[in-house]
Amino acid sequence: EIVMTQSPATLSVSPGERATLSCRASQSVSSNLAWYQQKPGQAPRLLIYGASTRATGIPARFSGSGSGTEFTLTISSLQSEDFAVYYCQQYNNWPFWTFGQGTKVEIK
Amino acid sequence: EVQLVQSGAEVKKPGESLKISCKGSGYSFTSYWIGWVRQMPGKGLEWMGIIYPGDSDTRYSPSFQGQVTISADKSISTAYLQWSSLKASDTAMYYCARTDPSRRWFDPWGQGTLVTVSS
Repeated sequence: EIVMTQSPATLSVSPGERATLSCRASQSVSSNLAWYQQKPGQAPRLLIYGASTRATGIPARFSGSGSGTEFTLTISSLQSEDFAVYYCQQYNNWPFWTFGQGTKVEIK
Repeated sequence: EVQLVQSGAEVKKPGESLKISCKGSGYSFTSYWIGWVRQMPGKGLEWMGIIYPGDSDTRYSPSFQGQVTISADKSISTAYLQWSSLKASDTAMYYCARTDPSRRWFDPWGQGTLVTVSS
């Protein structure tokens, strides 16, 4: 099983600042990586797929990068609605997906 | 609009059976897979299994094989997740989500069904 490790567990950021979230895979997943956002009491929402492609309707302040085992989600200027938990997910070996444990982005 | 709408919250006792549902609309239900994802209280996301409603081909995560049953009724565009004997440890939020072998991520997701198992 491919293990996905996210860091940090919690990220405290002020509104308007940049947030950088990391996700590491235990073995190469090529660019087969997605990012999801989950707000309290809501279902997860797809943000990024293919490591760097924004899903439909996702603002340009969200960007993804990386390939192989190291990936990054960047939120360029945090808005109030961006405070949430973010999960990475590998889908290199469909359908044996694995998720990271999540990074909570909180208001500093 | 592509939508997945799940059945409502359930409160059950240990040992009871349960079947929850996920109804798709706005797309060809038989052309995509539906997956189920568990989220235990305060925890992360775990993939449980998927089904292709077109022919009921089903795959399970090794962690959930034998613990749950996934099925679908394509005539009413609905997928199901069921338990024959619930345990307290099954208490969680359960999400369905659409996927397929070409777009291998989950999108969209249902709103979730909260299952509470308590004596």
